[in-house]
Parts: sequence; C-alpha cells; structure tokens
Amino acid sequence: NAGVTQTPKFRVLKTGQSMTLLCAQDMNHEYMYWYRQDPGMGLRLIHYSVGEGTTAKGEVPDGYNVSRLKKQNFLLGLESAAPSQTSVYFCASSTLGSSYNEQFFGPGTRLTVL
Amino acid sequence: AQSVTQLDSQVPVFEEAPVELRCNYSSSVSVYLFWYVQYPNQGLQLLLKYLSGSTLVKGINGFEAEFNKSQTSFHLRKPSVHISDTAEYFCAVIRQGAQKLVFGQGTRLTINP
Repeated sequence: NAGVTQTPKFRVLKTGQSMTLLCAQDMNHEYMYWYRQDPGMGLRLIHYSVGEGTTAKGEVPDGYNVSRLKKQNFLLGLESAAPSQTSVYFCASSTLGSSYNEQFFGPGTRLTVL
Repeated sequence: AQSVTQLDSQVPVFEEAPVELRCNYSSSVSVYLFWYVQYPNQGLQLLLKYLSGSTLVKGINGFEAEFNKSQTSFHLRKPSVHISDTAEYFCAVIRQGAQKLVFGQGTRLTINP
C-alpha cells in the first residue's frame, strides 16, 4: 500500500494564479482532511470530507475549495492564489468509526506564492 | 471549543539525556489526546494516544506520555534521547464524538551530540 500520496511535492505560483492539489489514499478510508502548516501555528484544518460527495469547512477555509468525487481522492483548489497561502499543505485520511481512529498523513506539498 | 498549548517552541538536549515536551489542553468535555512526530521533510506519524484507562501511555521509539486530568496536561517524555529523535512534535486533542483534531503549535526537539 502506498498509503496517502500528494501531488505535486513542490509548486511556485504567482499571485492570482490557480492550481489544484491532489490527495489520494489506497486504504479505503471514508474521512479525508486538508491541513496547512505554518511556522509556530501547528496544523490548521482547511476542509474535510466524511465521505464521497461530501465536504465541510474547517478552521481556515477562506480562499480554498475542495471536491471529493471519488472515495480515494480529495482535491484542494486555490482559485486565485495569494502570498498568504504560502504554506506546507498536508492531506490525511482515517477510517469511519469512533473519533479516535488514527489519521494517516501524506508527505506534504510545499507551495510558494510570489 | 478545544485548544492545545505546547509550552516550548524549541527544546535542545544532549544525546542520551532525558527530555520532557509539555502539552496542556483546555476542554469542557471529554477528549482523546495524541502526540504526533514529524521528521524533517516528512508528514506526521502517530507517536502515541490516550483514549481511556491507564494514565501512562507508551508509544513508539521509547516515548511515553502521562495524562493528568486535574492539570489538563499530557506531557511527553523519553528517558534517553538519540540523534534520530530530532524532529518536530505535535500534541493534538479531539472531542469525543468529533472528527476534527486540534493541534498545538509544535515543539522542535534538537539533539546535540
């Protein structure tokens, strides 16, 4: 099993450009999450999904959109990138059930917005 | 709402010395508690978790943590650290029945030879 994979690993954008980050998991997990990691702020939840076709806002959703068309994939979109979105983005997944199921994380995508 | 405070942003220690990374949480309801480790240029992986039962929880790589309900703390300890323990450590909390983890700010552990 590859676990959780993220594409791309690195990206540089100019202000106003758009892009999509892809997260894929092969563990048949129902829940998927997108986080951003900034120095001194830990991980903050952007959006999450509790199943195919469903998404919900997290702590910092503004400027991002997501889609979960297939159970194994969770896409994070930036329609008009801003320098404040420079960050490391992590995807995670977990199984359906009680809240203490472990979240498995991808290796991250480092995004720089100039 | 839950919140997590990691009291030290950086902790430098010498190899083979003991270490404690501090974590305090606030919540008005019952929670589960976690420690995650992030090695350089990698994602997070679970180190240990407290769900219920014994307040002393043992994890991977010789780490352990103690849940203290009265002090709302969940400090991480290791009696003797190794160079390979150099990483960033995150404490996290989740309300029972919820799906969203809340992370602390992280503590960067640096091991000096």
